[in-house]
Amino acid sequence: GAVVSQHPSWVICKSGTSVKIECRSLDFQATTMFWYRQFPKQSLMLMATSNEGSKATYEQGVEKDKFLINHASLTLSTLTVTSAHPEDSSFYICSANLGLAGAREQFFGPGTRLTVL
Amino acid sequence: DAKTTQPTSMDCAEGRAANLPCNHSTISGNEYVYWYRQIHSQGPQYIIHGLKNNETNEMASLIITEDRKSSTLILPHATLRDTAVYYCIVSSESGGSNYKLTFGKGTLLTVNP
Repeated sequence: GAVVSQHPSWVICKSGTSVKIECRSLDFQATTMFWYRQFPKQSLMLMATSNEGSKATYEQGVEKDKFLINHASLTLSTLTVTSAHPEDSSFYICSANLGLAGAREQFFGPGTRLTVL
Repeated sequence: DAKTTQPTSMDCAEGRAANLPCNHSTISGNEYVYWYRQIHSQGPQYIIHGLKNNETNEMASLIITEDRKSSTLILPHATLRDTAVYYCIVSSESGGSNYKLTFGKGTLLTVNP
């Protein structure tokens, strides 16, 4: 299947700093990528849909000014957690689908574990 | 998206078939059934999907009832590496190629030696 990578795989930062997470589709172009967040022992929650060349669509309750999403190319989307606080500590996962007619499966990255001290 | 109901957990003996049920009684005509799994601390992995016909691939089989209100994921010969949380999701196309997925709590499948 298609490969999606994330960088970094884990990050520890101080409260108040900003952290950028990259999501790349390695062997295909993705006009749409998705960002999820997962707290311990909970399921994945969709945060936003990242559209190449346009603004992201955020799910209800997700602060767009806190979680900045940029999808500047067909293979890269970035999520920036601005002014991170301990409650933002979580497992952040991105995904993409092939964007082809009939290709419905999403391919997920390995996730980025963020710890805010 | 329609909601799904899955058992919280299941056990299976190594080498035996694992049958994971999912209820999706409010599924609509254009919604597909997807199965993903998540091994601890990793990103989810796509397994299989279907609309109304049974499907089979190298990982699993998907059996969808005729009324489409439930389905069963079958892992024919479970191994220890199949221990994971399995998510059953129903989803339809929401503009272009955006297949939005809403994850429930899933079923924790534990394969025992």
